[in-house]
Amino acid sequence: ELKVEQNPLFLSMQEGKNYTIYCNYSTTSDRLYWYRQDPGKSLESLFVLLSNGAVKQEGRLMASLDTKARLSTLHITAAVHDLSATYFCASGQGGSEKLVFGKGTKLTVNP
Amino acid sequence: DAGVIQSPRHEVTEMGQEVTLRCKPISGHDYLFWYRQTMMRGLELLIYFNNNVPIDDSGMPEDRFSAKMPNASFSTLKIQPSEPRDSAVYFCASSPGIDTQYFGPGTRLTVL
Repeated sequence: ELKVEQNPLFLSMQEGKNYTIYCNYSTTSDRLYWYRQDPGKSLESLFVLLSNGAVKQEGRLMASLDTKARLSTLHITAAVHDLSATYFCASGQGGSEKLVFGKGTKLTVNP
Repeated sequence: DAGVIQSPRHEVTEMGQEVTLRCKPISGHDYLFWYRQTMMRGLELLIYFNNNVPIDDSGMPEDRFSAKMPNASFSTLKIQPSEPRDSAVYFCASSPGIDTQYFGPGTRLTVL
């Protein structure tokens, strides 16, 4: 059974600082997704990583995938308050469209 | 495109009542997913469809839950009878394939 673990689950950081959120998954996976959720809102797709070594960047966020280590990271550069949200990673397995989500990392960026 | 549409956005009902949640996927998407989100259990996949056919319903909690997709543009998730522990936000998502899933706004269900 595929399991996805994120850490940390809660992250409080100051504006301007850098930090990384980690996403580990338990079995071989061919794709990894990152989503953002604002309080009371739906999930918004951020990144889709489909191969080992894939790196994608959008603004202050950069995601990478290491399939050999079964690890994806979401790096935050020079955080700003607008990045405060809950970030989810999700992993999928070949032959199925099913995704398994991590528990989410609640990020709070303080001025 | 308007995105995934769900209705109602909020539902408050009493224990024992039937609840029907509705979803209209993005046009052209072959996959439709129903999720449930709670603080305790996080985001759980309940069931998903491909071309209107249920593929995996292993996440459906029990027989009180049922889902249908009569055509490519409409799906329902029904709970009968509802219980307080069913209180959650229910999301519908659609996808064109091995690509990101696009989530609807969700239905917040409260069972008293």
